[in-house]
Amino acid sequence: AQKITQTQPGMFVQEKEAVTLDCTYDTSDPSYGLFWYKQPSSGEMIFLIYQGSYDQQNATEGRYSLNFQKARKSANLVISASQLGDSAMYFCAMREGLGSGNTPLVFGKGTRLSVIA
Amino acid sequence: KAGVTQTPRYLIKTRGQQVTLSCSPISGHRSVSWYQQTPGQGLQFLFEYFSETQRNKGNFPGRFSGRQFSNSRSEMNVSTLELGDSALYLCASSLSVDQETQYFGPGTRLLVL
Repeated sequence: AQKITQTQPGMFVQEKEAVTLDCTYDTSDPSYGLFWYKQPSSGEMIFLIYQGSYDQQNATEGRYSLNFQKARKSANLVISASQLGDSAMYFCAMREGLGSGNTPLVFGKGTRLSVIA
Repeated sequence: KAGVTQTPRYLIKTRGQQVTLSCSPISGHRSVSWYQQTPGQGLQFLFEYFSETQRNKGNFPGRFSGRQFSNSRSEMNVSTLELGDSALYLCASSLSVDQETQYFGPGTRLLVL
């Protein structure tokens, strides 16, 4: 069964607008971490934001915020004030068993975001 | 602090050859993981090393192997290359196996002809 599902293969957003990238996950482990990475055309995976399963508040990092809805098993990435440089592939990923020997990262298939001037 | 470095960045090989890719983690990071990224299969975990020991291995054939040195640098080797091994190989490091976030290098693009 797919552990990470990203249902939006591609999205367009106008520059300076906000955009939400969807991610749902599946796990029975109570201890897990959710990550978002950005991959520009150069190929490097850039870490954006992290949310632990026990974190009470939604994570924020600058223009990135994670809308964590634990009961729905969703961890959507919100990018505010989009910039042309935000055009890239975005991957949602999960690690289970935090603090007791993490499992490897499991990635979704990604969402290609295009920011339009 | 310097990021994760991978060498070479680009590589062209022919079927049947073997290849060795290198990864130097962020200074102080002791855990190194390798991932393969292809258009068809997406990102797939290859293996993880910590303190020169393989902790986890993904579902790849034995042609794929790796190792980690005492300075935490890691290499992966693919023997008897197949066309399907053409991919972006990404290395990631973290402080330890219990530190959640992995930081990735720029990757090595391997093309097998």
